[in-house]
Amino acid sequence: GQSLEQPSEVTAVEGAIVQINCTYQTSGFYGLSWYQQHDGGAPTFLSYNALDGLEETGRFSSFLSRSDSYGYLLLQELQMKDSASYFCARGSSNTGKLIFGQGTTLQVKP
Amino acid sequence: SAVISQKPSRDICQRGTSLTIQCQVDSQVTMMFWYRQQPGQSLTLIATANQGSEATYESGFVIDKFPISRPNLTFSTLTVSNMSPEDSSIYLCSVIGDLVNSGANVLTFGAGSRLTVL
Repeated sequence: GQSLEQPSEVTAVEGAIVQINCTYQTSGFYGLSWYQQHDGGAPTFLSYNALDGLEETGRFSSFLSRSDSYGYLLLQELQMKDSASYFCARGSSNTGKLIFGQGTTLQVKP
Repeated sequence: SAVISQKPSRDICQRGTSLTIQCQVDSQVTMMFWYRQQPGQSLTLIATANQGSEATYESGFVIDKFPISRPNLTFSTLTVSNMSPEDSSIYLCSVIGDLVNSGANVLTFGAGSRLTVL
C-alpha cells in the first residue's frame, strides 16, 4: 500500500515548537513532502526529503527516516499565522504524482 | 515557479448538470494534475493530463465522469459530468514546480474551484 498516517489535530501556543509526525507504507516510496494549506487557500509547498536526515528552511524543518518509514515536520517559534492544515505527501515515482496524508490541523493559541 | 490561473473559483450547480473547470499555466509544462479535495478531507489525485494523449486516471475515477482535455502545454480543462451532491468539492489543478534537491515532488497548485452541487 501507499497510504500515510498523520495526527488529525495538534494544538500549541505561540512561540512554542511543534512536531507533526507522518508514517507511510513503503511500497514504491519516492520522497516525502510537506504542504501547508490555510482555510480556503491552495496547498503550498514547505519542504521535501528524498534522503534520510533533516532539511531546514527557516522556521520549518523536515526529517526523514526511510528505515523507519517515518518523517516529521518541525515548526519552531510558532506564530498565529501558522494555524493551518499540514499534509505530508509521498511520491510514488519520479513523475510528480503525490499521495497525500489526511492532514493535520494545527491550531496556534496566544 | 509557475503561476496557475484556475476558473471558476467557485460555483453552485444543479444536480445532473456538468461544469468545466479551466486551468491556465504561465509556462509550458509536460504534465498537469487534477486533484479533488472533499470538504475537510485530504487531496486525492483524479488524473494526470497529458498533452497529445489521453489523461491517465487514478483508481476510482473514470473518463465518462471526469473528462479531461489538454490541447497544449499551458492549458487543461476538467469537466465534472452529471453532478450529484457528492461531487461538492474543491477541484485543484497542479503542475510540477521548482525542483528541490533534484526531486520531482514539488507541486504548485492553482487556487482551486469550489463546487457546490444542490
